Amino acid sequence: AQSVTQLDSHVSVSEGTPVLLRCNYSSSYSPSLFWYVQHPNKGLQLLLKYTSAATLVKGINGFEAEFKKSETSFHLTKPSAHMSDAAEYFCVVSARSNDYKLSFGAGTTVTVRA
Amino acid sequence: EAGVVQSPRYKIIEKKQPVAFWCNPISGHNTLYWYLQNLGQGPELLIRYENEEAVDDSQLPKDRFSAERLKGVDSTLKIQPAELGDSAVYLCASSLDRQGQAFFGQGTRLTVV
Repeated sequence: AQSVTQLDSHVSVSEGTPVLLRCNYSSSYSPSLFWYVQHPNKGLQLLLKYTSAATLVKGINGFEAEFKKSETSFHLTKPSAHMSDAAEYFCVVSARSNDYKLSFGAGTTVTVRA
Repeated sequence: EAGVVQSPRYKIIEKKQPVAFWCNPISGHNTLYWYLQNLGQGPELLIRYENEEAVDDSQLPKDRFSAERLKGVDSTLKIQPAELGDSAVYLCASSLDRQGQAFFGQGTRLTVV
């Protein structure tokens, strides 16, 4: 079985300050991990993905995430938040053992204060 | 290149009425997914197609939900009859194959009154 826990349902940051979105996963086999972003009335967009290569993954719009197997974590960070980062973020796990089915976390809502 | 296209974007219906959603995946993508997203939650898989074959429909409530993907391209998802609890966003996604990156449409927001 596989699952994802996003530890914060809501994160509020000031513009220009760092963003940290926390994600823990459970998977019985070597997982692939993803972060998707969903802006209001828009489709889900892939930010970045980890597929057993480098543990530090860089994505679009200045986001990056680090895969830590010992902690079963895949936290998403950005050094400086922009107003346009206000959105819903989903951590997702997939594994061959589960036929590559995507399992989504419940999501983290990010608000950015001016 | 066009992304995954879904229609309609919004739909309001009365309970017990039928409703259908349509999805046009990215050209060349063999795998197509329908997801259900309830408010404040992550998407949950309803059904996955490999070409025209439904390879995973274990989460599809078959008493009222049905789906088809004729000719392995476009797909429709139908609910008959709709219930109040079906109010949600229905997302379609496609990928080259089951291991490939999934690309999502904008979704159809269904409200059942």
